[in-house]
Amino acid sequence: DAGVIQSPRHEVTEMGQEVTLRCKPISGHNSLFWYRQTMMRGLELLIYFNNNVPIDDSGMPEDRFSAKMPNASFSTLKIQPSEPRDSAVYFCASSSDNSGYYGYTFGSGTRLTVV
Amino acid sequence: QKEVEQNSGPLSVPEGAIASLNCTYSDRVSQSFFWYRQYSGKSPELIMSIYSNGDKEDGRFTAQLNKASQYVSLLIRDSQPSDSATYLCAVNIGSGGGADGLTFGKGTHLIIQP
Repeated sequence: DAGVIQSPRHEVTEMGQEVTLRCKPISGHNSLFWYRQTMMRGLELLIYFNNNVPIDDSGMPEDRFSAKMPNASFSTLKIQPSEPRDSAVYFCASSSDNSGYYGYTFGSGTRLTVV
Repeated sequence: QKEVEQNSGPLSVPEGAIASLNCTYSDRVSQSFFWYRQYSGKSPELIMSIYSNGDKEDGRFTAQLNKASQYVSLLIRDSQPSDSATYLCAVNIGSGGGADGLTFGKGTHLIIQP
């Protein structure tokens, strides 16, 4: 199993540009989670999907952030326009259920720097 | 508001000693509890899960759970320099829809001194 695959690993962009982060969950996992990690706030849940349907996006900081899951093997997190305060590591995680009962498997993350 | 609290550290432990990491949580209906290890610049890696009160051992790691006190801990025996990392405690909400998933603490930075 290749695990959860994220791309790109690193992204440096200028303020105001659009950024798209990508995630491929583990095959057979029906829940997908997007997290943001910073030193100050730790891991924050942004949004999660169950069976490709967005269930809770209350963690999305503002309208500049959007996420989609068009099929069971692919999800994107988009920031438009990006701002320096969006700089963080963004993790995608997947699980066989959305309750977290069995834990999550994380991807390697995307380190985003907005200058 | 669900909360998971950990001492941020750093916790410094000599090589070969026992490292003890602690975590408290606020949600009384939580049913599953996890410890993740995160090396600097890497993603969180699940190392232990525990669902019932008591101890669960896996190699050098022991997870301890006390639901009455809302407390979960991780013991690392014979600590090695390779155990130096940040350890994240994660807790899920109870069943019956439990759609909120895992809540993570901010982690304890552990340093094993050779």
